[in-house]
Amino acid sequence: EPEVTQTPSHQVTQMGQEVILRCVPISNHLYFYWYRQILGQKVEFLVSFYNNEISEKSEIFDDQFSVERPDGSNFTLKIRSTKLEDSAMYFCASRASGGGTDTQYFGPGTRLTVL
Amino acid sequence: QKEVEQDPGPLSVPEGAIVSLNCTYSNSAFQYFMWYRQYSRKGPELLMYTYSSGNKEDGRFTAQVDKSSKYISLFIRDSQPSDSATYLCALDTGRRALTFGSGTRLQVQP
Repeated sequence: EPEVTQTPSHQVTQMGQEVILRCVPISNHLYFYWYRQILGQKVEFLVSFYNNEISEKSEIFDDQFSVERPDGSNFTLKIRSTKLEDSAMYFCASRASGGGTDTQYFGPGTRLTVL
Repeated sequence: QKEVEQDPGPLSVPEGAIVSLNCTYSNSAFQYFMWYRQYSRKGPELLMYTYSSGNKEDGRFTAQVDKSSKYISLFIRDSQPSDSATYLCALDTGRRALTFGSGTRLQVQP
């Protein structure tokens, strides 16, 4: 069964460093998302991406964050200058189409630890 | 008032019990309703997806939506120890940015 994959599974970085989290969505999917989950808290929406542009973003997704689809298979989330409070699980999700009966399938997540 | 409220539990039941998990919401713009299961330090796994009031059944799982009361439920029949996980409700206005509940942690005792 097709699935969303994410790398790395765990990333440790120093405060102020840049990190890039990588995702490979399901191959025929067109809509891509990033969510995060701080330990013990709810899953929160960050950004959605369609047709090579951001379609929606939350208040969390400030200028320190960016997303890119550099080729036909990868979808990346970049954090330019990490803060301690960026420590969280980051989940990528993808969806096949804009149809009402479609929904999002999540990857296993990347655990980001900022020291 | 939070957009989506979900009792965090933990909820502990014996194997074979019927489990009832619930979420309430305040935003009447939510049109699509999902239940995800999340094992510790893993990604959410889609269980059920509904977009209208009423019931939807899939094996041991039944999702129920009452839009008039802004109340959604997930029932698990004949619960198994492998059902032990955190269950997340997720709601969508159609703009596709899912709004999650805080999750209910379920423990099924053998």
